[in-house]
Amino acid sequence: DAGVIQSPRHEVTEMGQEVTLRCKPISGHDYLFWYRQTMMRGLELLIYFNNNVPIDDSGMPEDRFSAKMPNASFSTLKIQPSEPRDSAVYFCASSLEVAGGAYEQYFGPGTRLTVT
Amino acid sequence: GQNIDQPTEMTATEGAIVQINCTYQTSGFNGLFWYQQHAGEAPTFLSYNVLDGLEEKGRFSSFLSRSKGYSYLLLKELQMKDSASYLCAVREPRDSGAGSYQLTFGKGTKLSVIP
Repeated sequence: DAGVIQSPRHEVTEMGQEVTLRCKPISGHDYLFWYRQTMMRGLELLIYFNNNVPIDDSGMPEDRFSAKMPNASFSTLKIQPSEPRDSAVYFCASSLEVAGGAYEQYFGPGTRLTVT
Repeated sequence: GQNIDQPTEMTATEGAIVQINCTYQTSGFNGLFWYQQHAGEAPTFLSYNVLDGLEEKGRFSSFLSRSKGYSYLLLKELQMKDSASYLCAVREPRDSGAGSYQLTFGKGTKLSVIP
């Protein structure tokens, strides 16, 4: 089975540019999560979706960040305009809600973003 | 709010046993997870505890005490490949809607296994 797919794997951009990160969750999973990981702050939840609907975006740092999930197999995280402090590894994860299950999240390989 | 504490780093010897502790303070609780993350890679699921007690899975075991807000991950017969960061994460219900929840991660414990 293909796992969670993210693209690009690496992105280097200049401050002020728009950045779009992409994610394809595991087929059949009903939850999708976007995380950001830095050495200083660890792994932080930005936003998550259930059945393509955004449930909680309280982790989104500011209005420069936006996320969409137009269908069950695709999501984007957009940063516009990007700033150097946005440099981090961005992970997408998906999970399946099954009654009595562990609901473990499966992570994609991440996108390493560098904003200069 | 949530507060999850783990030691920053630990070192242990190949073949030995190591215990990584995690304490948490959350407004709700709906399960505790341990994830393993090798350098430069994504976190991968190791274990899940929702009831008090010990869950064993091969060389790895995880323990939970809900009344104490405490968990540990026990790694036996350490191997060099176990060198990684181990993330403790707590799942708690959210107020934003029925069935919604959030998984909050600790900053992780970097384990180095030496010969």
